[in-house]
Amino acid sequence: GAVVSQHPSRVICKSGTSVKIECRSLDFQATTMFWYRQFPKQSLMLMATSNEGSKATYEQGVEKDKFLINHASLTLSTLTVTSAHPEDSSFYICSARETNYGYTFGSGTRLTVV
Amino acid sequence: GQQVMQIPQYQHVQEGEDFTTYCNSSTTLSNIQWYKQRPGGHPVFLIQLVKSGEVKKQKRLTFQFGEAKKNSSLHITATQTTDVGTYFCAVIMNSGGYQKVTFGIGTKLQVIP
Repeated sequence: GAVVSQHPSRVICKSGTSVKIECRSLDFQATTMFWYRQFPKQSLMLMATSNEGSKATYEQGVEKDKFLINHASLTLSTLTVTSAHPEDSSFYICSARETNYGYTFGSGTRLTVV
Repeated sequence: GQQVMQIPQYQHVQEGEDFTTYCNSSTTLSNIQWYKQRPGGHPVFLIQLVKSGEVKKQKRLTFQFGEAKKNSSLHITATQTTDVGTYFCAVIMNSGGYQKVTFGIGTKLQVIP
């Protein structure tokens, strides 16, 4: 089946620092990946669509300069949370679509900003 | 944008009882997907429905897509403790030449042994 690997699974960082989250499709190529944010007991909210070789498409209300997305290859997309603050603490999940297996999600990254 | 309303938000059932979650849209949907997220885990794709009136089964799970393609349901027969989790419906939309997934709010299922 299609596997999406997300790293790290947990990260604690100090306020004002930046954190990079990686999302890799292990056995398929993904021209498009998606980044979601999930607050406790809430649904997944799409933040942005990551497009290989071009700029990401951000959803309304998501700060482009704060959440930097780079999709440099067909198997890797990264999300960098810049100048993180406590309100950025959340669960971030990436996903990619594989033809036969629908949308496959990474295992998520729990970010805590202290 | 496209939205789906999902009910109920929470459901507690006794083990062995049935469970159903519903998703409704004010507009016609081209397709709908269902996901399960275990506590502390990530969403796992269950199924996609695309045809009007479609019914699909996976063991004790039955998925339906309404005739008007505006609603869908997930029914679990004789729930087990392994069914615990949050069930999300999701709609695939084409936006700017790309597909993206919009999720319902989810139904959190608790099964009491």
